[in-house]
Amino acid sequence: TQLLEQSPQFLSIQEGENLTVYCNSSSVFSSLQWYRQEPGEGPVLLVTVVTGGEVKKLKRLTFQFGDARKDSSLHITAAQPGDTGLYLCAALAGGTSYGKLTFGQGTILTVHP
Amino acid sequence: KAGVTQTPRYLIKTRGQQVTLSCSPISGHRSVSWYQQTPGQGLQFLFEYFSETQRNKGNFPGRFSGRQFSNSRSEMNVSTLELGDSALYLCASSSAASGGAVDEQFFGPGTRLTVL
Repeated sequence: TQLLEQSPQFLSIQEGENLTVYCNSSSVFSSLQWYRQEPGEGPVLLVTVVTGGEVKKLKRLTFQFGDARKDSSLHITAAQPGDTGLYLCAALAGGTSYGKLTFGQGTILTVHP
Repeated sequence: KAGVTQTPRYLIKTRGQQVTLSCSPISGHRSVSWYQQTPGQGLQFLFEYFSETQRNKGNFPGRFSGRQFSNSRSEMNVSTLELGDSALYLCASSSAASGGAVDEQFFGPGTRLTVL
């Protein structure tokens, strides 16, 4: 069974601070995705990383995929209250794992004005 | 394009009953996956359907079943409900164009099931 360990579980910060969320596994993944979920809604895809060592930027969000494709991080610069939500990392094992995303436990981020 | 829709949005049932949840994927998407989300276990994969065939299944008891129709709409059924089945049930659709490796899954808003 492939497991994704996400940390921290909770983050409560002030507007303008920076933060990093980590997603680690002992397994190698063909790709890794980051989602954000708001209350009453389903997760929304933020980014997919495929290549080991890949770095992707989405405005104030920076995503990294580890060289060995076993871990990833999400860094938010100058967090804003609108960044509040549940952040989830997820991985597709590839091959015949059709449609099956394995999710981390999630990080609940609260950004206070 | 309309997003993934799920009905109903909320359900209250009692132990022992059965329930059917419905999911309409994005037009043109042929793959539908179902997930259960709980505070304790997070998001867990239930099963995936493509062209009316179940291609993948998670580690859930046989009380959880699903099906997909020719128009790609999908239903999941839970029989003999238990208290622990209370959860947010999410479905996600994908075009599955690349064979699954990096296909984006688009999630619906979920059905909140409460079992009393």
